[in-house]
Amino acid sequence: DVKVTQSSRYLVKRTGEKVFLECVQDMDHENMFWYRQDPGLGLRLIYFSYDVKMKEKGDIPEGYSVSREKKERFSLILESASTNQTSMYLCASSPWAVYEQYFGPGTRLTVT
Amino acid sequence: GQQLNQSPQSMFIQEGEDVSMNCTSSSIFNTWLWYKQEPGEGPVLLIALYKAGELTSNGRLTAQFGITRKDSFLNISASIPSDVGIYFCAGRGNAGNMLTFGGGTRLMVKP
Repeated sequence: DVKVTQSSRYLVKRTGEKVFLECVQDMDHENMFWYRQDPGLGLRLIYFSYDVKMKEKGDIPEGYSVSREKKERFSLILESASTNQTSMYLCASSPWAVYEQYFGPGTRLTVT
Repeated sequence: GQQLNQSPQSMFIQEGEDVSMNCTSSSIFNTWLWYKQEPGEGPVLLIALYKAGELTSNGRLTAQFGITRKDSFLNISASIPSDVGIYFCAGRGNAGNMLTFGGGTRLMVKP
């Protein structure tokens, strides 16, 4: 079974803090993705990566950056958290040229 | 970017009833996926569709890839309380491995 894990299920941070969300997958997948999920808006892609040290912007990259130093790990960074970044963050992975994505359990981030 | 309209936004049904939901797009998709998300969890893949007209089942769930390639449908037969959750459609156009997600259908089942 594919396993995608995320470092925290719940996180509370203050405005202006730097926030790191970690995602690890154990299936040697090439592609990894970060989404945010807000009610009524579905899942919106923030960034994705198709290889180590490679990254591509998704639909809403502003205010976020990512890092992929190892194949199994994909980090999402909020350089200076703001209240409008309060959301559920979902990480996903998929093999190269396979479109089925496998999701982690999510991190619910609250910025106060 | 591409838009996916998913309807209905929510459904409250009686146990044993059949359920239908759909997604429509303004552009053509080459792949349709259906996911289910239970409270506090990430989405889980239910069904993947790769060809126009394709009809695929997974237990009580049946999904279809519309002939126009701009829509997809998910049906759940004889619903049970554990069907509760949010169902998402996702489509892939020509943009590599990226998926576009619908807004979700929240399903509530009354025992």
